[in-house]
Amino acid sequence: DVKVTQSSRYLVKRTGEKVFLECVQDMDHENMFWYRQDPGLGLRLIYFSYDVKMKEKGDIPEGYSVSREKKERFSLILESASTNQTSMYLCASSTPRGDLMNTGELFFGEGSRLTVL
Amino acid sequence: AQTVTQSQPEMSVQEAETVTLSCTYDTSESDYYLFWYKQPPSRQMILVIRQEAYKQQNATENRFSVNFQKAAKSFSLKISDSQLGDAAMYFCAYRSPKVQGAQKLVFGQGTRLTINP
Repeated sequence: DVKVTQSSRYLVKRTGEKVFLECVQDMDHENMFWYRQDPGLGLRLIYFSYDVKMKEKGDIPEGYSVSREKKERFSLILESASTNQTSMYLCASSTPRGDLMNTGELFFGEGSRLTVL
Repeated sequence: AQTVTQSQPEMSVQEAETVTLSCTYDTSESDYYLFWYKQPPSRQMILVIRQEAYKQQNATENRFSVNFQKAAKSFSLKISDSQLGDAAMYFCAYRSPKVQGAQKLVFGQGTRLTINP
C-alpha cells in the first residue's frame, strides 16, 4: 500500500515563526501536492511538484513556499506564520505512470493541524 | 477555471438506509475525471469511487455508486445500506485530463455525513 507520512499531526506556533511541514511518500510517485483544508472551503491547492526540484503554484500560494530536493520528500514552508494560516494541511502524492486508465488518484497523508497564535 | 460545488454541508441517514450526496461542477472540457473521497474523523482521506467522463456507464463500488449526468454537470454519490463506518466527510473532486504538471484535483467544499444507529 502507498504510504504518505506527514511529520507532525499537531503543531502550535507563534506569529512570525518559520514553520516546516514535512511529507514523505514511499511509492516512488512523481507528483506531490500540498493542500489546505478549511471548514466550508474544502481543500485548496497551495503548491504541487511533478519532479525533483520542480514546483508549481496552486490556487493559494501566497505566504507559502515549498522544497523538493528528493523525490520522496516534499516540504511546505511558512516563512513567517500568521494567524490566518491556522488550518489543516494535507499532503498527497500520485503517479502519472501506468496504463491508459491511470487517473492520477491522489494518496493522502493523515494531515497536519497547525495552530498559529 | 474548473469549480466543484457541494451544496449539502451536512447530511444524516439512518443505519441501513440509502443516502445520496450531491455534487455539481463547471468545466468547458469534454474529457475529465471525477472522484469521491472519504475522510473519516482523524483519519486520512481515501478514494471511494472514480468516474471517467467518456464513460456513459455509472461507476459502482460495492455499496457505493454514482449518478453521472454529463450534460447537467452533476456527479452524485449514492451509499446503499449505510453503515456506521460510513460516517465521514465526503469530498467530490474534478481532474483535468492534461498530463504531467496539471494532474491536480479541484475539490468541493465537502459534505459531513452522519449515520444514526
